[in-house]
Parts: sequence; C-alpha cells; structure tokens
Amino acid sequence: GAGVSQSPSNKVTEKGKDVELRCDPISGHTALYWYRQSLGQGLEFLIYFQGNSAPDKSGLPSDRFSAERTGGSVSTLTIQRTQQEDSAVYLCASSPRPSGGNNEQFFGPGTRLTVL
Amino acid sequence: RKEVEQDPGPFNVPEGATVAFNCTYSNSASQSFFWYRQDCRKEPKLLMSVYSSGNEDGRFTAQLNRASQYISLLIRDSKLSDSATYLCVVYTGGFKTIFGAGTRLFVKA
Repeated sequence: GAGVSQSPSNKVTEKGKDVELRCDPISGHTALYWYRQSLGQGLEFLIYFQGNSAPDKSGLPSDRFSAERTGGSVSTLTIQRTQQEDSAVYLCASSPRPSGGNNEQFFGPGTRLTVL
Repeated sequence: RKEVEQDPGPFNVPEGATVAFNCTYSNSASQSFFWYRQDCRKEPKLLMSVYSSGNEDGRFTAQLNRASQYISLLIRDSKLSDSATYLCVVYTGGFKTIFGAGTRLFVKA
C-alpha cells in the first residue's frame, strides 16, 4: 500500500519568508511525528500528534514553528520568518498504534528545506 | 551529555567482515530500543527491535545491556548493500523517541 508521503520534496526559500510542509501519513495510522535532520546529525523531535488529542509541541525550537493535523490525517508544518539555521531535512513519520514511540515508525521521504 | 550516543564512524570494512556498533543511552528508565537503517539521502527504516534477551535476524544480532546502558548491533558476513547509516533509537515512555546521530558503515569489495 501507499507509504507516508511528503511535499514538496525540495523547498528553497529566502530568509524571512514563511514555508508550509505537508505530510500524508499511512491511512489508519493514528500517531504522527515531525522530525528535523540537519546534515550529519540525528533526528531532532519536533512535534507529535496522537488521534484527536492535543499535540505535544515540546520539541518545537521556537514560536516560529507550528503544526496542525486536520481530521486526524494530513499534517502541515509551518515555519514563519525562516532563518538560515532552519535549513534541514524535515521528516514526517506515522505509526499504527497509539502507544507512541514504542512501535515502528514509518517515515516519509522528507522535505529538504534550504533557506538562503 | 547526549541522551543517546553513537560512534559516528565511519567504519570501513571489506565484504565478509564482521562489524559491531555500540550505542549508549543516559536514561535508565528507557523502555524499548531499536536499530533503524538510513541510506544516503533516504528516510530511516526499521532494521530490528532490541529485546532484553538479545535477538537475531539473519546476519544481524542485537543485544541490550541494561546494567551498562548500551545496546549493540553485530553484522556478520557484511555485504556491499549493508553500507548505510545505522541509527540507535531509544523509547523513554509516552510518545518520546530519541534517535542517535548514527554510525556510518562502508562495506568495500
């Protein structure tokens, strides 16, 4: 079946602009994560959605970052007033069960964001 | 100190070699452990879970040492296709999953 999809695959933007990154999780998966991966670094947790519960935003690096998940499915990560340090690959992952990180996470191909 | 630490490598090994990676974690209350594989410019994919008693999947063996707070991954009879970055992943409860920065492996003919 279809895996996790993300769009766009690449995004180049100018410093100060806003960007929106989209994630389509696997159908039926209730848990959804956003991560950020800088060159040569591990995955940095950003935000977690579980069903209709309030998201855990504890990993968001600043108030310029926000995310929403509509109808328990598609999620959008928004970065306002982008900075050069925001340049990274943004990965979305979904998981089929509500016990969070104790289950396999299925990752999308990521969005490579470059802020000039 | 990072919550999950890995030797970044790279490990350069010939085909057929046995190679082992270690990963240490700082939270003694960590509950579950995994190894993910990430190919260059690709997304991470689950390689195997790590069970308390140790587990094996073909050429891959994972072990957990709770007393010393580390997990290991052993790859026997390395193949060219094993070249990738191996991410250590620790689940600490609730939703939170901590990824290590990864260990890079190059297998050469």
